[in-house]
Amino acid sequence: AQTVTQSQPEMSVQEAETVTLSCTYDTSESDYYLFWYKQPPSRQMILVIRQEAYKQQNATENRFSVNFQKAAKSFSLKISDSQLGDAAMYFCAYDPYGGATNKLIFGTGTLLAVQP
Amino acid sequence: NAGVTQTPKFQVLKTGQSMTLQCAQDMNHEYMSWYRQDPGMGLRLIHYSVGAGITDQGEVPNGYNVSRSTTEDFPLRLLSAAPSQTSVYFCASSYLQGISGANVLTFGAGSRLTVL
Repeated sequence: AQTVTQSQPEMSVQEAETVTLSCTYDTSESDYYLFWYKQPPSRQMILVIRQEAYKQQNATENRFSVNFQKAAKSFSLKISDSQLGDAAMYFCAYDPYGGATNKLIFGTGTLLAVQP
Repeated sequence: NAGVTQTPKFQVLKTGQSMTLQCAQDMNHEYMSWYRQDPGMGLRLIHYSVGAGITDQGEVPNGYNVSRSTTEDFPLRLLSAAPSQTSVYFCASSYLQGISGANVLTFGAGSRLTVL
């Protein structure tokens, strides 16, 4: 079965520091998509960043970047210059169908605390 | 542009009662889906739809029914509520984006359901 594993239930970072959230996934597919979603206390799910598996270049969105290691099936999220507003639950998600459906598989989440 | 609208935001039911969680999107998205979020388990797919008149089961469909009579609406029905259905429910919509075909979900604000 295809699975997504986030091995860090909770993480903490000092404001302005850098933190990396881990995600691994299991698949036999060669073409797929990976996402990081943020869920603040408001409960709203917000897309942070996405990565197409066929692209070797790591995706970047402002202070957020990923380290995509396809062979290792690893997809970590790096948050640079952490801000208080980054405090949230972060979910890694995998789309095994190349966009043909909207059947994402989510990890169990990492709760990130940002210390002032 | 309202995006994805879920109603109600909160609901308390007694075991055996039925109810419908409403979901509407105004973005003309082809794909819609329902997820449930439980502590320590991330988001799990209940049902999904790739277009009006087409629905299919996700990972945890038991106890839930859906229909998709229009592009805009995708209601989730609980026919006989059980305490195990106590959860936060998210509706999401999406479409294939550009050449890459990435399917980026837009989520509703969630509905918290408690079954006593």
